[in-house]
Amino acid sequence: SQTIHQWPATLVQPVGSPLSLECTVEGTSNPNLYWYRQAAGRGLQLLFYSVGIGQISSEVPQNLSASRPQDRQFILSSKKLLLSDSGFYLCAWSDGGGNIQYFGAGTRLSVL
Amino acid sequence: TQLLEQSPQFLSIQEGENLTVYCNSSSVFSSLQWYRQEPGEGPVLLVTVVTGGEVKKLKRLTFQFGDARKDSSLHITAAQPGDTGLYLCAGTSTDSWGKLQFGAGTQVVVTP
Repeated sequence: SQTIHQWPATLVQPVGSPLSLECTVEGTSNPNLYWYRQAAGRGLQLLFYSVGIGQISSEVPQNLSASRPQDRQFILSSKKLLLSDSGFYLCAWSDGGGNIQYFGAGTRLSVL
Repeated sequence: TQLLEQSPQFLSIQEGENLTVYCNSSSVFSSLQWYRQEPGEGPVLLVTVVTGGEVKKLKRLTFQFGDARKDSSLHITAAQPGDTGLYLCAGTSTDSWGKLQFGAGTQVVVTP
């Protein structure tokens, strides 16, 4: 069966520090991968998605970037965090059909 | 961009009562999903509907896709405290393959 791992679960970082959140998927190959941000108790905003290694599409302009160095690895990064980057970040995967997505447990990022 | 509007934003009921959550759009969706999310966790898929007029039942949960595939509803019968959570609808359209458009969510609280 397929599983998705996301870490860390919680992160507190100072303003201006770098960021690296990692997501890996097991049990499938060539998945579509997604990074979302969620405001407290609200819907999900798609940040990046990837249909293959090295292929990244950005949905909104922001202080963040994404990379996919391996088929089942998706990384969310920033060189210098802003206060506004605080939030709940979710990674998700889907198969080639793309319509059903399965989510990781999320990372709570607090930028102070 | 297709927008999904969920109503109500917040719903608080007593155990044993029924509730209905709505998801509406002016756009047509090829499929629509419902997720439930608990605090600090990722959303978990409940159901996918793809055919206009389709009704799916999952124990005490009933999901309906509108005939025109622009709206959906989630009805919970005899709600229990374990039904508490954020309910999110998400849709895909033919011109946004592989990407989900999420509603803002309905926070449901069921008190004993």
